[in-house]
Parts: sequence; C-alpha cells; structure tokens
Amino acid sequence: EAGVAQSPRYKIIEKRQSVAFWCNPISGHATLYWYQQILGQGPKLLIQFQNNGVVDDSQLPKDRFSAERLKGVDSTLKIQPAKLEDSAVYLCASSFTSGSDEQFFGPGTRLTVL
Amino acid sequence: KQEVTQIPAALSVPEGENLVLNCSFTDSAIYNLQWFRQDPGKGLTSLLLIQSSQREQTSGRLNASLDKSSGRSTLYIAASQPGDSATYLCAVRPPGGTSYGKLTFGQGTILTVHP
Repeated sequence: EAGVAQSPRYKIIEKRQSVAFWCNPISGHATLYWYQQILGQGPKLLIQFQNNGVVDDSQLPKDRFSAERLKGVDSTLKIQPAKLEDSAVYLCASSFTSGSDEQFFGPGTRLTVL
Repeated sequence: KQEVTQIPAALSVPEGENLVLNCSFTDSAIYNLQWFRQDPGKGLTSLLLIQSSQREQTSGRLNASLDKSSGRSTLYIAASQPGDSATYLCAVRPPGGTSYGKLTFGQGTILTVHP
C-alpha cells in the first residue's frame, strides 16, 4: 500500500511570498491532517479534514494560511504572505475513518523563509 | 489545555544498553497515547499505540507502558542498536468532541546509540 505523498520536499522562499504544499493521503483514508513542526519541537496540528469538510482548524493562522481538500482526496495548504516564523516542516497525515484511528504521516515539506 | 513533556531532551548511550524514555501529560482524560519515531529529514513512523484502557503494548524490542491516572508513559528499548538512533515523540489524543483526532505532541527525545 502506498504511503502518504507530499510535494515539494523542500522549498525556499523570501518573506511576503506565497507558497503551496500538496498532499495525497493513503487511498481510502477519509481523515487528513496538516501539522507544522518547528525545529526542536513536536508537530502541532493546523487543520483536520473529514472527507472534504473541516473538523478542526482552531490552530490555523487564518489571516495567512488556508487549506482545502476538494473531492475529499488530495489537499493543498497555502501560506500567503509568508513570514520568517513560518520556517518549519509541514507534515501531512491521514487515517482511515474517524480521528480515533492510527495516523500515518508523509515525509513532510521543509519550508525555509528568508 | 493538554501539555506533553518528554524527558530527557537528548540521550546518548552505548550499543547494547537498555534505556527508558519518559513522557508526561497534564490532562489524564485521553483516548490513547502513541509513540513515534522520526529520522532526520523524514516523516513520523508509528511505533506503538496504547488505548486508555490498556497498561502496556509491546513490539519486538520496544515496550510502552501507560499510567493514565498519573499522566505518564514510558518507552523501554531493550538491547539498543545504532539503528535506533532517531528522535522519539509521544503524542496523546483527547477522548472526543470536535478535537477527536487532534494529537498533542511532546517535543521529543533525541536518541543516539553509538557503537
């Protein structure tokens, strides 16, 4: 079974630029998560989707971050405009059904904002 | 608000040693606790998942215990090997509501096993 796919793996941008990350979950997984992991810290949940609906986005900085999951499969996370403090690894995870299932993580996208 | 703390932040041991990683959480109302491994530049790999009703889980050389009432979990690694070198993260999941799937992570323990 293929794992969670993410692209790009690395991205370097200047502050105030825009950037987008893409995630393809494991086939058949209804729940998708985006996490932000700052160097030296554990991941922090940004947003959780159940199919194409948002379950939890309480920690998403909505003034600059947006995410969508059209058709309940792939998802994109966008930052516009980026700030220096957005430098982090952005991890995508998926689980089969509800939030109680084990989460499987992708390799992440490492973002550097200069 | 749930907070998860892992001690120690870093650990360096010689090959073959048995070791214990600690995880504590402030709110004992959890659904389950999960231990992950993260290699440099990689995503997270799930190692063990303990439901709130369980006391421990074992997989190979790994054993994780859970004492929900005291807000503690330990990950025991037997006969450590250089390939065990990685960052180990624990995460807890709340019991329900809109934050059902929301994992709260500790900051991780960086483990180095030297030959």
